[in-house]
Amino acid sequence: DTEVTQTPKHLVMGMTNKKSLKCEQHMGHRAMYWYKQKAKKPPELMFVYSYEKLSINESVPSRFSPECPNSSLLNLHLHALQPEDSALYLCASSRPVVGLKQFFGPGTRLTVL
Amino acid sequence: GESVGLHLPTLSVQEGDNSIINCAYSNSASDYFIWYKQESGKGPQFIIDIRSNMDKRQGQRVTVLLNKTVKHLSLQIAATQPGDSAVYFCAEKGNTGKLIFGQGTTLQVKP
Repeated sequence: DTEVTQTPKHLVMGMTNKKSLKCEQHMGHRAMYWYKQKAKKPPELMFVYSYEKLSINESVPSRFSPECPNSSLLNLHLHALQPEDSALYLCASSRPVVGLKQFFGPGTRLTVL
Repeated sequence: GESVGLHLPTLSVQEGDNSIINCAYSNSASDYFIWYKQESGKGPQFIIDIRSNMDKRQGQRVTVLLNKTVKHLSLQIAATQPGDSAVYFCAEKGNTGKLIFGQGTTLQVKP
């Protein structure tokens, strides 16, 4: 299995809602990442987990809360988002060395109303 | 600071021709580079990578060239096909281990 899967594919939420994005990989990778991507822009790193521990937080607002329940799963909890948070949220994974050959999921298209 | 850039935002080529997508990077200490292809509505897909101890690496119909003297990276696609139409990102492994992405080049393949 060489895939990173993400659910849901699309999500529409209001500014007062709480929702979660999910990511799963079964490649045995021990580094997992969340990126945010706006239209026609490159992915922007948000968080990095290495061996289930948060190793990098790119000064992301607290309304985004990551969680890594085990080595295969990565969640991103969303609360009180703003319309400018609307974007494609990408999950990626790689072998333990952070930064090398990351495999990306298809992303969750998030719209905040 | 670290930055990775691409020379052209859009490249239009005829089907069957070879494509060359360029990328400039600023950190001479970077030791790893990678190219991704992103089709509309999809996540980035790994194409090929190269370490700084190499000048050239070939894959299936793709070649990456690294010129450390001028801090330049290029992706060559042979016999470009309509399915190659996408946005191509180069990325550099920075000092902190994070991947730093360039702005992307849109490749349009004309039939």
